Amino acid sequence: SQQGEEDPQALSIQEGENATMNCSYKTSINNLQWYRQNSGRGLVHLILIRSNEREKHSGRLRVTLDTSKKSSSLLITASRAADTASYFCATEGFTDKLIFGTGTRLQVFP
Amino acid sequence: DAGVTQSPTHLIKTRGQQVTLRCSPKSGHDTVSWYQQALGQGPQFIFQYYEEEERQRGNFPDRFSGHQFPNYSSELNVNALLLGDSALYLCASSFQGKFAEAFFGQGTRLTVV
Repeated sequence: SQQGEEDPQALSIQEGENATMNCSYKTSINNLQWYRQNSGRGLVHLILIRSNEREKHSGRLRVTLDTSKKSSSLLITASRAADTASYFCATEGFTDKLIFGTGTRLQVFP
Repeated sequence: DAGVTQSPTHLIKTRGQQVTLRCSPKSGHDTVSWYQQALGQGPQFIFQYYEEEERQRGNFPDRFSGHQFPNYSSELNVNALLLGDSALYLCASSFQGKFAEAFFGQGTRLTVV
């Protein structure tokens, strides 16, 4: 079963614009991670935020976590065509399983 | 430094057959997790191997089994294949039984006909 649900399911933007994706989850977590997947191949780890953190940055990525609302957001600033991919949130809970959301398909047009 | 390698990349099998998928973890990693990703869905956790034992298991039937070897590589076996087993099978490696910041292979695309 999926732990998280991402919103929107699909997002289309122009190069240079910002892209925001949201993730909601159901149970308590140790950490939340974001992954990128190009063309249905392997996933690439982007960023991890722990349950006691509220915001984290990595390059053009900004992740927020609100454990009271069981939600997270991923912001990609100044998007590039190369950012076109599917983005997944994944939660690691106390059962030590990594559970993925349903994903957001991002299309960045040149 | 080789990352996570999976073989084969593509596979076509007939319903009822058995299949074995292989994974070599990233150098320095000792834990392997397997995921099934159906088209348009997020990966679903199958099981995790650490210290040659299955530590965690997702909601998959016993037709799905695995093994981890002393060199930390792993195999995923699926018996009595069903059409619904068609998916991308992903292997992820990590350290000491953890899931954090896992490194994924490129996956094996299994088609059951």
